[in-house]
Amino acid sequence: DAGITQSPRHKVTETGTPVTLRCHQTENHRYMYWYRQDPGHGLRLIHYSYGVKDTDKGEVSDGYSVSRSKTEDFLLTLESATSSQTSVYFCAISEVEGRRIEQYFGPGTRLTVT
Amino acid sequence: AQSVTQLDSHVSVSEGTPVLLRCNYSSSYSPSLFWYVQHPNKGLQLLLKYTSAATLVKGINGFEAEFKKSETSFHLTKPSAHMSDAAEYFCVVSHGVQGNLIFGKGTKLSVKP
Repeated sequence: DAGITQSPRHKVTETGTPVTLRCHQTENHRYMYWYRQDPGHGLRLIHYSYGVKDTDKGEVSDGYSVSRSKTEDFLLTLESATSSQTSVYFCAISEVEGRRIEQYFGPGTRLTVT
Repeated sequence: AQSVTQLDSHVSVSEGTPVLLRCNYSSSYSPSLFWYVQHPNKGLQLLLKYTSAATLVKGINGFEAEFKKSETSFHLTKPSAHMSDAAEYFCVVSHGVQGNLIFGKGTKLSVKP
């Protein structure tokens, strides 16, 4: 398994509170991604990073921000959590960019916003 | 634009019988396609990938998929289902120069004893 950990693995928070999820990799891969998984939607890309301090938006980026100050860590922040952000969040990594390159996924974080 | 459609949200088979999970894709150029599997409460694991080499792709755990350009399909098959195959399966197409992934909505495979 790729060396990817996510923390916390489970979190319950209240509407309006800030939340930060952490993805940590030991593979020294350049590219990192945050997805959310919701029933009936598969996985949808929130943000991705192509290097330290280099990030870009994905399909469902509204309400989320990211930061990457070190190669191994990619943080996802919900500035003010809403119930619609209740989901399972997955981090992924890939060594290089390109259409032929697969991504490797972390174990996920289950977030519940009450 | 790239997209992927998984034709069945749920497939149920008996142990020892063949598995067929159907996937159609749409892509404006030669696609890269993947199948991932997710066991309950787990992350996603790559089963196999197609990247314009052989059209019949073999993956882990006895799964394989055939890329058919004329039918825009990339169906996943296995000759004989095992109880441990029960999971959700995602067909995925790669998008853009960066290779961002677009996921199908998933097919849940149940295996009956």
